[in-house]
Parts: sequence; C-alpha cells; structure tokens
Amino acid sequence: AQSVTQLDSQVPVFEEAPVELRCNYSSSVSVYLFWYVQYPNQGLQLLLKYLSGSTLVKGINGFEAEFNKSQTSFHLRKPSVHISDTAEYFCAVHNQGGKLIFGQGTELSVKP
Amino acid sequence: GAGVSQTPSNKVTEKGKYVELRCDPISGHTALYWYRQSLGQGPEFLIYFQGTGAADDSGLPNDRFFAVRPEGSVSTLKIQRTERGDSAVYLCASSNRGANTGELFFGEGSRLTVL
Repeated sequence: AQSVTQLDSQVPVFEEAPVELRCNYSSSVSVYLFWYVQYPNQGLQLLLKYLSGSTLVKGINGFEAEFNKSQTSFHLRKPSVHISDTAEYFCAVHNQGGKLIFGQGTELSVKP
Repeated sequence: GAGVSQTPSNKVTEKGKYVELRCDPISGHTALYWYRQSLGQGPEFLIYFQGTGAADDSGLPNDRFFAVRPEGSVSTLKIQRTERGDSAVYLCASSNRGANTGELFFGEGSRLTVL
C-alpha cells in the first residue's frame, strides 16, 4: 500500500528565511506527487505537482520541490518566506489508480 | 460558480441523527471524490466516483456511510446514526479524469459537529 510521511508536524520560521518541508513516500509503482496548501478557513489548493520529466518542479508563490526517486522524497522549498505563507501544507501521492493519498500535514508558521 | 461547491458549510447535529452533505463538482469533471479531515490530520480518502458509479469505496469507515451520484454530477454523502467520532470536515473534490494527472480541485468543505 502507498503511504506518505511528512516528517515535521510544525515548522516555525522567521520572515525572509528559507524553508524546507519534508515529504517521503512509499510506492512500488510509478507515482505522481503533489503539494497542496490550505490557508486558514479555506479549501485545499494545488501548489505544485510532479508527473514526469524534470525532477525540479516549480509552483505558485515561489515554491519548488524536487523529486528524488532513489530517496523516495519530494521535499518542498522556498528560499524566502513571507507572513502570507503561513498555512498547512500537505504532500500527496497518486498512483494512477484513482485516488490521492495525503500525508499528515506540516503547519508552517512564519513570524515577523 | 466555477469551483467545487459544498453545502452546508457547517452542520451541527445530535448523536444518532441522519445527515446529508452535498457536493456540486466543476462542470464537466467526470470524477468526484469525498475525503474526511479530522483536526490536525491530513485528508482521509472515503470514496470516489467515475461517472455515476463508485469506482473505489474502500475508505468508507462502516455501513453507516453511503454516497450517491445518480446523474454523474452532484453527489450526496449520507451518514446514518451519527456518532461523535464522525465530527470532522468533509471535503469534496472533482477532476477531469481524461487528463489522468491526478490533480484534484477541492471545495471548502462541510464541517460536521456531532454533539
């Protein structure tokens, strides 16, 4: 069975600092990988996705993620965060079989 | 609107009551998904429809939960004999399965509170 592990439940960081949110997945087949963001009192929004091709994927709001097949990881990064990036971030895996499996989420808290 | 619409946005009910949650997907999206999100957790898969049929209902926790999509568009999630442990945000999402990218478009959820 597939699974997703987000290694940090909470990540506090100061504004303009870099951040990395870690995600590892387990799957025996090819997968598509996603990061979704959930701002307070809002629905989930797609941040970026990896389907194939270049392992470095760029998303909205300056975020990027790197697919590493050998380490089964898909870590999310941003070189300089803003207060407005404060939100819950979810990593997810899709196995082309029909459904997304989500991780437990990482709460990013950006402080001034 | 152009997005996934869920009603009601909030529902408070008493233990033992019956509840229906509605989802109106993006027009033209053939796949529809239901997830449940408890406080501090990631979304947990419940069921997904391809057209009118349930393609995968392996996430439904027990037979108190049931979902329908009779005309391949709007879906209703039905919960019988609600329990306090059913309290959560129920998320609906839709996708264009023809693209097969797995990208889901989510509604804002229906928050269910069982007293």
